[in-house]
Amino acid sequence: GQNIDQPTEMTATEGAIVQINCTYQTSGFNGLFWYQQHAGEAPTFLSYNVLDGLEEKGRFSSFLSRSKGYSYLLLKELQMKDSASYLCAPRNTPLVFGKGTRLSVIA
Amino acid sequence: DAGVTQSPTHLIKTRGQQVTLRCSPKSGHDTVSWYQQALGQGPQFIFQYYEEEERQRGNFPDRFSGHQFPNYSSELNVNALLLGDSALYLCASSLAGGAGGPHEQYFGPGTRLTVT
Repeated sequence: GQNIDQPTEMTATEGAIVQINCTYQTSGFNGLFWYQQHAGEAPTFLSYNVLDGLEEKGRFSSFLSRSKGYSYLLLKELQMKDSASYLCAPRNTPLVFGKGTRLSVIA
Repeated sequence: DAGVTQSPTHLIKTRGQQVTLRCSPKSGHDTVSWYQQALGQGPQFIFQYYEEEERQRGNFPDRFSGHQFPNYSSELNVNALLLGDSALYLCASSLAGGAGGPHEQYFGPGTRLTVT
């Protein structure tokens, strides 16, 4: 089975940096996905990590430590449109999501 | 290139009725997964279809059934609807990806089902 843990809610200020953590336990690790989901919309793919380290993609970066079962999503230069839920999911069959972290960006 | 499409967008049913939701995967994808998402929760896996067969199933009762067609499109059927079935139903498509699991999934816009 899988166990995924993320903070339920976070609040950050426009222009700031925020780090959203994800810890996971899974039998057999094949990588980890991050998705963004705006309220009432479908999740959209953000990033995929399979090796340890930081993957940077514009304002968003994702970090993975396989030995610690830990990942984080780093959002820089926060914008109001970044207010959304962020979901991490170990790559597996089936793809199982945690409850996600609801991020609110305030002015 | 069309992404994942779902129909209908919204649906209102009464308890005890049956519903069919439809999904067309992204072009080139062969695997379709269905999720139920209640308000404030992450998507909960219902089942996955590959090569017209149910490949994996989550913890959902037999009232939830599905089908995949030769063109990879899929249907989700729910019988004997309960109030608790009210949720956003998401379809996601991907390439099978082998034993390591699916490649990244692309989600459709979802069907909002309300059971009264």
